[in-house]
Amino acid sequence: EVQLVESGGGLVQPGGSLRLSCAASGIPFSDNYMAWVRQAPGKGLEWVGRIKNKGNSYTTEYAASVKGRFTISRDDSKNSLFLQMNSLKIEDTAVYYCAREFYYKLDYWGQGTLVTVS
Amino acid sequence: EIVLTQSPGTLSLSPGERATLSCRASQSVTSSYLAWYQQKPGQAPRLLVYGASSRATGIPDRFSGSGSGTDFTLTITRLEPEDFAVYYCQHYDSSLPMYTFGQGTKLEIK
Repeated sequence: EVQLVESGGGLVQPGGSLRLSCAASGIPFSDNYMAWVRQAPGKGLEWVGRIKNKGNSYTTEYAASVKGRFTISRDDSKNSLFLQMNSLKIEDTAVYYCAREFYYKLDYWGQGTLVTVS
Repeated sequence: EIVLTQSPGTLSLSPGERATLSCRASQSVTSSYLAWYQQKPGQAPRLLVYGASSRATGIPDRFSGSGSGTDFTLTITRLEPEDFAVYYCQHYDSSLPMYTFGQGTKLEIK
């Protein structure tokens, strides 16, 4: 069974930092591209960014709204994905989901973790 | 950047009816990069359809996707009570690269 479990959400002041984690099981984590997607309260889905696998040099890509403030990383030895969020803004308030990216689709999702910037 | 526009915003139907949800791209897109998701309140999105028309694992055959170019459709035949949810289309733009989502269609019980 595939499980993606996010953690690390919480309340943070504007300008602050937070690090989210996503623990994966049931998938060949090191082979996969992984992504973060967020959803502001009552709003739609917004792709945050992704990290490729080792074979693709762990290349990262980001949405324009977070580029330069957020950093995605991974630890394949621990099947874990991370999202370091700096210079947080009120508009970053959202549920953050990690997801596996597989051939242009996001096929497995975690349950999400809520980040509140206030 | 390609924009996906979903219509209608809200669709009110009864169980047993047929639902037709639309996703229109601002420019022609590759069908392989078009997917649909279902999201219920308090839950994560669930992949329904990828490559515009291929059902994801475990998805009932009452869900089907179609379309090409700029116009894509998700059809749900014979609505079941558990199908009432919000549906999103998604496109992967390989040139940027990035994922974009439509704004969603809420399918509600009439």
